[in-house]
Amino acid sequence: NAGVTQTPKFRVLKTGQSMTLLCAQDMNHEYMYWYRQDPGMGLRLIHYSVGEGTTAKGEVPDGYNVSRLKKQNFLLGLESAAPSQTSVYFCASSPPRGRTNTEAFFGQGTRLTVV
Amino acid sequence: AQSVSQHNHHVILSEAASLELGCNYSYGGTVNLFWYVQYPGQHLQLLLKYFSGDPLVKGIKGFEAEFIKSKFSFNLRKPSVQWSDTAEYFCAVNGGAGTASKLTFGTGTRLQVTL
Repeated sequence: NAGVTQTPKFRVLKTGQSMTLLCAQDMNHEYMYWYRQDPGMGLRLIHYSVGEGTTAKGEVPDGYNVSRLKKQNFLLGLESAAPSQTSVYFCASSPPRGRTNTEAFFGQGTRLTVV
Repeated sequence: AQSVSQHNHHVILSEAASLELGCNYSYGGTVNLFWYVQYPGQHLQLLLKYFSGDPLVKGIKGFEAEFIKSKFSFNLRKPSVQWSDTAEYFCAVNGGAGTASKLTFGTGTRLQVTL
């Protein structure tokens, strides 16, 4: 049982380049999230999805796009990377609230550096 | 909108000392509450969670937390910390239902346990 898998684990981009981060979960969870973690700021929600084909903005969505074409995958795209997007990105998944166990499971993270 | 406040940003304790980390949230409705831990270089792992029932929740590794609804608090405690508890601790709240159901994190508390 792999849980939540993120690829890649590390990446260095030049300013203006684009890339896609992939998150895959094998727990059949409806909800998926993308967070960024920066020192002293905790985890901030970028975008999330409550089901296949749906996405919604979180706290810090600017500069990012997402897609949830399949239930098990949640993609995070950076169209034109900026140094301010240097961060550690975490994907998570969870069942919807209202069930008895709605804890979120996290991937290992992607460390992205934009130079 | 829901928010989470963690009052202690950096805590240094000696082994065997007692620990209490503060967490307050702002959300008027029913909430689910979580404490996650992140060991150096690793992803977030669930320590404990509160959904309903007994407000004193016990988690892994001897941690516990008490939900006090009147104070909107969910403080984390451990009677005797170990060096291996050195990590960053995040409080999180999941309020609302449907599309509003998303995890919001505090800024984290870095715990350093000295020998």
